[in-house]
Amino acid sequence: TQLLEQSPQFLSIQEGENLTVYCNSSSVFSSLQWYRQEPGEGPVLLVTVVTGGEVKKLKRLTFQFGDARKDSSLHITAAQPGDTGLYLCAGLNFGNEKLTFGTGTRLTIIP
Amino acid sequence: DAGITQSPRHKVTETGTPVTLRCHQTENHRYMYWYRQDPGHGLRLIHYSYGVKDTDKGEVSDGYSVSRSKTEDFLLTLESATSSQTSVYFCAISALQGNYGYTFGSGTRLTVV
Repeated sequence: TQLLEQSPQFLSIQEGENLTVYCNSSSVFSSLQWYRQEPGEGPVLLVTVVTGGEVKKLKRLTFQFGDARKDSSLHITAAQPGDTGLYLCAGLNFGNEKLTFGTGTRLTIIP
Repeated sequence: DAGITQSPRHKVTETGTPVTLRCHQTENHRYMYWYRQDPGHGLRLIHYSYGVKDTDKGEVSDGYSVSRSKTEDFLLTLESATSSQTSVYFCAISALQGNYGYTFGSGTRLTVV
């Protein structure tokens, strides 16, 4: 079973600060997806990164896929309370086309 | 605009009883998945379906069975619920495999007492 470790597990910062969340594995993935989940709801897809080294921006969120396709990062600039939630990375496995989810980072932005 | 609904949203059941969770989609998507979410484990795949009557096991399938008799419905059954199956269960759908994201339902919180 391929594992995806996310760090930190928990992060609480003040509004306006910047932060980075990491998603790491020893396995190579076909692509990497990031989801955000709010309490009582299912995860919602934010972005998919496909090419090694790829960088995608979604307003204040920047996603990067590692060159070796084993890791990814999510950087949030000037965090806002609306960014609060559980962030999940998910790697698409070669061959069986199944998603392996990371353990999650619970982010709290303090107003 | 929810194209995927799960029922019930909450359920408390006793150990040893059978339980069925329902996932209903209106998107006509081919692929459907059942996950469980537990603290420290993230989302783990229980079973998935790639078409009507076509299902396969995920990484944590023991104690669970599924059925898909129609494109729109994917049922998850716990034949004899155990306390270790207390969890939040999510259904997800996707039109295609590959680099296409999943759409998740809102989840079912199941407590086995």
